[in-house]
Amino acid sequence: DAGVIQSPRHEVTEMGQEVTLRCKPISGHNSLFWYRQTMMRGLELLIYFNNNVPIDDSGMPEDRFSAKMPNASFSTLKIQPSEPRDSAVYFCASSSRQGPQHFGDGTRLSIL
Amino acid sequence: AQKVTQAQTEISVVEKEDVTLDCVYETRDTTYYLFWYKQPPSGELVFLIRRNSFDEQNEISGRYSWNFQKSTSSFNFTITASQVVDSAVYFCALSPTGVNTGFQKLVFGTGTRLLVSP
Repeated sequence: DAGVIQSPRHEVTEMGQEVTLRCKPISGHNSLFWYRQTMMRGLELLIYFNNNVPIDDSGMPEDRFSAKMPNASFSTLKIQPSEPRDSAVYFCASSSRQGPQHFGDGTRLSIL
Repeated sequence: AQKVTQAQTEISVVEKEDVTLDCVYETRDTTYYLFWYKQPPSGELVFLIRRNSFDEQNEISGRYSWNFQKSTSSFNFTITASQVVDSAVYFCALSPTGVNTGFQKLVFGTGTRLLVSP
């Protein structure tokens, strides 16, 4: 079975550009999570959805960050405008109602 | 508030040695889940195990074993006869059970980097 699929795997862009990260959760999973991993802050939850509805976005660092889940099989995390401090690995994870979270391979984002 | 502490930042062992990774947690929830994830050098996060707070039985899976002790709020992970392929960062995590919402919000520890040399 396919796991969580994230794209792109790597993204390098210049400061001020819009960045869109994509995630396809495991089929049948009803919860989706976006995490960010940095050396300074470790793994931190940015936002999560349950049945496509955003439940808690208190981890989103600034208004420059936004996330959507238009349907059960797709989610995006957008940064506009991007800044060098946004450089990190961004993970998407999904879970079924009572199952553990399974993570994608991550997107390594570098903002120059 | 929930908190997970992995006091060991980095551990180095020689192949075939046994190694234990410590995890101590804090929570006010009466029911919760504990997890271990592995992050190999390639960067992905791999789910290893989940334990319910009701179940304090130790678990063994091949060379991996987990010791859950509610009295000391610990959920330690032991690798027996370590191998070079075990080299990775290991994360312990905690979540409420979220019975009504079916949702689990993970709080991660800072991770322990395990280096296994030949």
